[in-house]
Amino acid sequence: IAGITQAPTSQILAAGRRMTLRCTQDMRHNAMYWYRQDLGLGLRLIHYSNTAGTTGKGEVPDGYSVSRANTDDFPLTLASAVPSQTSVYFCASSDSAGLAANEQFFGPGTRLTVL
Amino acid sequence: GQNIDQPTEMTATEGAIVQINCTYQTSGFNGLFWYQQHAGEAPTFLSYNVLDGLEEKGRFSSFLSRSKGYSYLLLKELQMKDSASYLCAVTDSNYQLIWGAGTKLIIKP
Repeated sequence: IAGITQAPTSQILAAGRRMTLRCTQDMRHNAMYWYRQDLGLGLRLIHYSNTAGTTGKGEVPDGYSVSRANTDDFPLTLASAVPSQTSVYFCASSDSAGLAANEQFFGPGTRLTVL
Repeated sequence: GQNIDQPTEMTATEGAIVQINCTYQTSGFNGLFWYQQHAGEAPTFLSYNVLDGLEEKGRFSSFLSRSKGYSYLLLKELQMKDSASYLCAVTDSNYQLIWGAGTKLIIKP
């Protein structure tokens, strides 16, 4: 593994189903983030984690949950998917939160369609 | 509220120079990033500005004026591979990144 990986690459999901998007990084970064990207809108932060064992809510957290059991993994769960959650989801990481100059490194994204 | 404005789309010619502007209104300011995103791919880091002035990195330069809430990304000697979206993002007082919607740059031969 090099950098950040996400799985699956794409998924079509029936409304009401539960879905977990996986994210793993091997850079030993402390901070991790989940964004959604929709046409015409900027990246919007769903949840973040400043360090293993802690999580926080971003701009659009409703309908999503996360966990951070260890440094490397940061899964995002949709408990009961709805069509408005159709989007491209990006996981990102940075060396530390709270340091302004830390660039974020992004995974390749998961394209999710909820029907 | 927090707001970042960029033009939706720009067109330029191969070999030319293009300037992509970004204006921002955020709760606090701890730096401004530019990222490049090719269609269907992840964003990748281009530049970071925290002090006023110009930062040059090869064909790409980024400028910041904190008093005006303004930045621009300057791309010189445009190549076809520069066709992409360019995202402006500001680190606010809580050290969260606030993202603009991005500027789609189309390069014509």
